[in-house]
Amino acid sequence: DQQVKQNSPSLSVQEGRISILNCDYTNSMFDYFLWYKKYPAEGPTFLISISSIKDKNEDGRFTVFLNKSAKHLSLHIVPSQPGDSAVYFCAASRGGSQGNLIFGKGTKLSVKP
Amino acid sequence: EAQVTQNPRYLITVTGKKLTVTCSQNMNHEYMSWYRQDPGLGLRQIYYSMNVEVTDKGDVPEGYKVSRKEKRNFPLILESPSPNQTSLYFCASSYRGKIRDEQYFGPGTRLTVT
Repeated sequence: DQQVKQNSPSLSVQEGRISILNCDYTNSMFDYFLWYKKYPAEGPTFLISISSIKDKNEDGRFTVFLNKSAKHLSLHIVPSQPGDSAVYFCAASRGGSQGNLIFGKGTKLSVKP
Repeated sequence: EAQVTQNPRYLITVTGKKLTVTCSQNMNHEYMSWYRQDPGLGLRQIYYSMNVEVTDKGDVPEGYKVSRKEKRNFPLILESPSPNQTSLYFCASSYRGKIRDEQYFGPGTRLTVT
């Protein structure tokens, strides 16, 4: 039973345009969400996070939106750059089990010049 | 340089031959964790440790053991590896108060069990 779902395995975007990566979750106990980026042959690196008490968090070109009623979050990258080409993982954790992170399967973003 | 190191980076072994993948961090982090990455399955947590001598199961702990005797080290032990444990393994660490913000990942260990 997949608790964190990234239903788009891949996404292709033109440089300068907006990239929108989506993530859905099923467990209503999740109260903290994170996005990680992964380049080939490297470990994932933290990108941005959001608590369930917020609906938006912004860091430079990256913004994460959380819709609790829909159990949906999205990562917006504006403007997209070729260096953003990577696999993006959505992850979630729940209060009381903060050490346990549940990741989605990832979305491969390709930003074309 | 602050980092998480894993050894070996690549390992080919045979079914049933015990092996250990080491993980070490130099950031004095309380929290450490192991993940495996498989095609089509993403990252799945194997075990995690909130501090020395404190470990807990993640989502796929079967077939693995861990120990946390020192703060900096968190080895992953496969007592009797099987082909379904062929995977890319990542170790990660974080300050206890920042687990939910930022985990630092190692470069990965690619394990093949034949």
